Amino acid sequence: QKEVEQNSGPLSVPEGAIASLNCTYSDRVSQSFFWYRQYSGKSPELIMSIYSNGDKEDGRFTAQLNKASQYVSLLIRDSQPSDSATYLCAVKDNAGNMLTFGGGTRLMVKP
Amino acid sequence: EAGVTQFPSHSVIEKGQTVTLRCDPISGHDNLYWYRRVMGKEIKFLLHFVKESKQDESGMPNNRFLAERTGGTYSTLKVQPAELEDSGVYFCASSPRGAFYEQYFGPGTRLTVT
Repeated sequence: QKEVEQNSGPLSVPEGAIASLNCTYSDRVSQSFFWYRQYSGKSPELIMSIYSNGDKEDGRFTAQLNKASQYVSLLIRDSQPSDSATYLCAVKDNAGNMLTFGGGTRLMVKP
Repeated sequence: EAGVTQFPSHSVIEKGQTVTLRCDPISGHDNLYWYRRVMGKEIKFLLHFVKESKQDESGMPNNRFLAERTGGTYSTLKVQPAELEDSGVYFCASSPRGAFYEQYFGPGTRLTVT
């Protein structure tokens, strides 16, 4: 049974701070990792994908992957109230195309 | 470019009735996926189409669920007869052929079975 674990939160950070969201996964053959942002009642929106160990930066977002520790994280710099949402971690292996999701972390950025 | 669209956005039906959900993927996307999220749980995979062919239906919960994608364009997911535990949000996602990695999600259909 493949599992993806996230702290449900809420994670509360002040505006302008760095928000750090974490995700662990159980299946060592996982190869592709994704972060989705979901506002209440809306569709999950892909914000980052990462496939190899290390850091990947895109604007205020940085994804970090450590396959040895089976750990992927998302850093949001200069957090804004508009970043308040649920962040979903998803993983995929090369055997299939299905995504396995974590339960999501609710982020609250306070002005 | 239009995103993934789903219809209806919300459906309320009684136990034992039939409901059909529709998904229109992003134009040109050969891969189409169905997922669902039941209350308090994570989003779970249901099945995957490549064009009109079912590639993987390992997540379909039982034979009350039937998915089709005639002509390889839009897809329907029928639940017949609906049970209380089928309540949840049903998401559709699509991705281009050859780019299996990034899936783009629709807004979902919230199904309530009473």
